[in-house]
Amino acid sequence: SQTIHQWPATLVQPVGSPLSLECTVEGTSNPNLYWYRQAAGRGLQLLFYSVGIGQISSEVPQNLSASRPQDRQFILSSKKLLLSDSGFYLCAWRGSLDTQYFGPGTRLTVL
Amino acid sequence: RKEVEQDPGPFNVPEGATVAFNCTYSNSASQSFFWYRQDCRKEPKLLMSVYSSGNEDGRFTAQLNRASQYISLLIRDSKLSDSATYLCVVNEGASKIIFGSGTRLSIRP
Repeated sequence: SQTIHQWPATLVQPVGSPLSLECTVEGTSNPNLYWYRQAAGRGLQLLFYSVGIGQISSEVPQNLSASRPQDRQFILSSKKLLLSDSGFYLCAWRGSLDTQYFGPGTRLTVL
Repeated sequence: RKEVEQDPGPFNVPEGATVAFNCTYSNSASQSFFWYRQDCRKEPKLLMSVYSSGNEDGRFTAQLNRASQYISLLIRDSKLSDSATYLCVVNEGASKIIFGSGTRLSIRP
């Protein structure tokens, strides 16, 4: 069965510091992968999606970037964090019939 | 108009009650529809897909009305464990997946 991992689970970072969040998927090959952010009390906002290695599409202009160095690895990065980058970051893969399955998420607080 | 709209709630109902949520979407070309459940500080989990003919999974029934562009979720005989936020999801294509902001449901003993 498919499993999706994210780390770290929680992170507290100062403004201006870099960021790297990792997502890995097991049990499937060539998955479509997604990064979402959920701000406190808000809905999920799609940040990036990837259909394959090195293929990244960005949904909104922002302070973040994504990379897919391996088939089952998806990384979210920032060179300099802003206060507004705080939120719950979720990685997901696309299953059959357009369903999405989420990892456990990373809760980021930027101070 | 938002692409996907949900009543944020909270809905506070007694155990055993029946509760229904609606969700409206703006793009008539939307392809697929889902309900997800999200517990506090956890990731969303797929509850059920929504089909035009309507579908049922135990105490949960989902309906799609393409003409009026809304989907609904009905929960019968609600349990304390049903307390969560319910997210409506509309898929317009591989890269266009829209999540509603969620409806909070609280079941009281």
